[in-house]
Amino acid sequence: DQQVKQNSPSLSVQEGRISILNCDYTNSMFDYFLWYKKYPAEGPTFLISISSIKDKNEDGRFTVFLNKSAKHLSLHIVPSQPGDSAVYFCAAETGNQFYFGTGTSLTVIP
Amino acid sequence: NAGVTQTPKFRILKIGQSMTLQCTQDMNHNYMYWYRQDPGMGLKLIYYSVGAGITDKGEVPNGYNVSRSTTEDFPLRLELAAPSQTSVYFCASGEAANYGYTFGSGTRLTVV
Repeated sequence: DQQVKQNSPSLSVQEGRISILNCDYTNSMFDYFLWYKKYPAEGPTFLISISSIKDKNEDGRFTVFLNKSAKHLSLHIVPSQPGDSAVYFCAAETGNQFYFGTGTSLTVIP
Repeated sequence: NAGVTQTPKFRILKIGQSMTLQCTQDMNHNYMYWYRQDPGMGLKLIYYSVGAGITDKGEVPNGYNVSRSTTEDFPLRLELAAPSQTSVYFCASGEAANYGYTFGSGTRLTVV
């Protein structure tokens, strides 16, 4: 039972353009939502989070949007850079437990 | 600054063997987690701990055991290795959900 879903396994964008990564969830009890970035042979690295009581959080080039009525969140990266090429996981937290999506592989083309 | 250290990085086990995956953090975090990641899948929570002496099961605890005798260490024990436990294992630690968690670099385990 996958409570957090990332339906796009991969995404390619041109350098300088916007990257939009999407995530859907089913559990309305999630308190926090997070995005992690992962390079091959490394552990995930925390990028940005958002509380369930907010609808937007911004940190530099990264912005996360939360639509609770649609149970949907997205990560916007503007402008995209080649170093952003990685696998991005969304995660949701409730009761000290985190549930991860299956990841979206982002490729930024120079 | 070491962060979260996992050992070993790679291991091959035969069916029925046992082993312990080590995880140590030097950030004085209360929360620690063990995840496994299968190919093409997201991370699945095996066990977690909210402090020394306290552990709880996650989504996929069967076949594993943990202990948390100190704040720093959170070892994961496999008692009777099975091919289904072939995976990459990640340990993580943190203080609060909204700050994210720090992950180790992973242990790639193959059971043959």
